[in-house]
Amino acid sequence: GQNIDQPTEMTATEGAIVQINCTYQTSGFNGLFWYQQHAGEAPTFLSYNVLDGLEEKGRFSSFLSRSKGYSYLLLKELQMKDSASYLCAVKRGFQKLVFGTGTRLLVSP
Amino acid sequence: SQTIHQWPATLVQPVGSPLSLECTVEGTSNPNLYWYRQAAGRGLQLLFYSVGIGQISSEVPQNLSASRPQDRQFILSSKKLLLSDSGFYLCASTGVRPDTQYFGPGTRLTVL
Repeated sequence: GQNIDQPTEMTATEGAIVQINCTYQTSGFNGLFWYQQHAGEAPTFLSYNVLDGLEEKGRFSSFLSRSKGYSYLLLKELQMKDSASYLCAVKRGFQKLVFGTGTRLLVSP
Repeated sequence: SQTIHQWPATLVQPVGSPLSLECTVEGTSNPNLYWYRQAAGRGLQLLFYSVGIGQISSEVPQNLSASRPQDRQFILSSKKLLLSDSGFYLCASTGVRPDTQYFGPGTRLTVL
């Protein structure tokens, strides 16, 4: 079977740092994606981790531990425009993405 | 650069009516194409994917079907819509990064 868990909602303050966790149990693991989705819009690609460790890209970083079935997305220097849902997705095999239900992040002034 | 088009952007259809949603991709040759549905408060659910013209894999048994008549065209269809078919339908394509899926703007379908 497959199971992907993320917190439903998080709140943070502008300028702060927030970490969004994702745990997964799945067969055929072939990498983990993070997408950002603003309300009413399509998801946009943020990061892809296939090996253990931290990938940094500007204000956003993503971490993966395959042995623990765990990933996190770290957002630094939060801005109001970062208020969105963040979707964790596990790649199974070569084609399939299995998505969690997403974490809704609310950034306040 | 790659561009994914979807139309229509929004659609309101009565129960039992047919459906045809279209997705076209520019800027990428021989992409893998995907149809997802996002129901209110739920995660994205993969419906179909295609690795080439005429090649369709179905993930969830339902009253929907997909076709790929051209390399960069992907169509989602139904003969008779159900209330449960309401949702946000997203087309995705592999692109500059062949291991990554990029999403089109989506079609919001309401079945009444």
